[in-house]
Amino acid sequence: DAMVIQNPRYQVTQFGKPVTLSCSQTLNHNVMYWYQQKSSQAPKLLFHYYDKDFNNEADTPDNFQSRRPNTSFCFLDIRSPGLGDAAMYLCATSKLAGEDTQYFGPGTRLTVL
Amino acid sequence: DQQVKQNSPSLSVQEGRISILNCDYTNSMFDYFLWYKKYPAEGPTFLISISSIKDKNEDGRFTVFLNKSAKHLSLHIVPSQPGDSAVYFCAARRSLAGSYQLTFGKGTKLSVIP
Repeated sequence: DAMVIQNPRYQVTQFGKPVTLSCSQTLNHNVMYWYQQKSSQAPKLLFHYYDKDFNNEADTPDNFQSRRPNTSFCFLDIRSPGLGDAAMYLCATSKLAGEDTQYFGPGTRLTVL
Repeated sequence: DQQVKQNSPSLSVQEGRISILNCDYTNSMFDYFLWYKKYPAEGPTFLISISSIKDKNEDGRFTVFLNKSAKHLSLHIVPSQPGDSAVYFCAARRSLAGSYQLTFGKGTKLSVIP
């Protein structure tokens, strides 16, 4: 089945130790998104790629970076995780830019010790 | 500043009854609204949507109503089933060139009691 896959599902890192979260999709969608969701909060968009074009949200901290080496994969790099970065990180895709239906992966829950 | 608000963190409904989930928004530039459903350990899945040019959209047991003047939308589930127990997120899109952002509410946890 076509889907959005996130690995790992659970990630533990230490304060200040770089960590990379992975997302892959078999939907062949043009757009890939990364959201951060803290407990009992709304998912918050960090950035998205339309093909290779990177679009950063204005309030996304510099600590967060992303790479999209090809259509199928997108990575979220947190350069120096702080305790406040502990959250669920959701990857989503959509076929076209502006298309409203986004398809989400199951998320990666990040714990920062 | 929350532009999309779901003021009820949780809702319990008896099986077979109607579930009504509410959502309010503040940004009059939003032109498209969506509901997502999320089970534990899964990502949100798209449920139903409505354009701002409509006031109602129906899909099986799910109906979304939009009241633009009140900046309010609601999701009705009739009849409610235990499998509907999940967290429901309201999301809104603003129509602006190059803007693909969905703004989400915090979610409402629906529990359907058998």
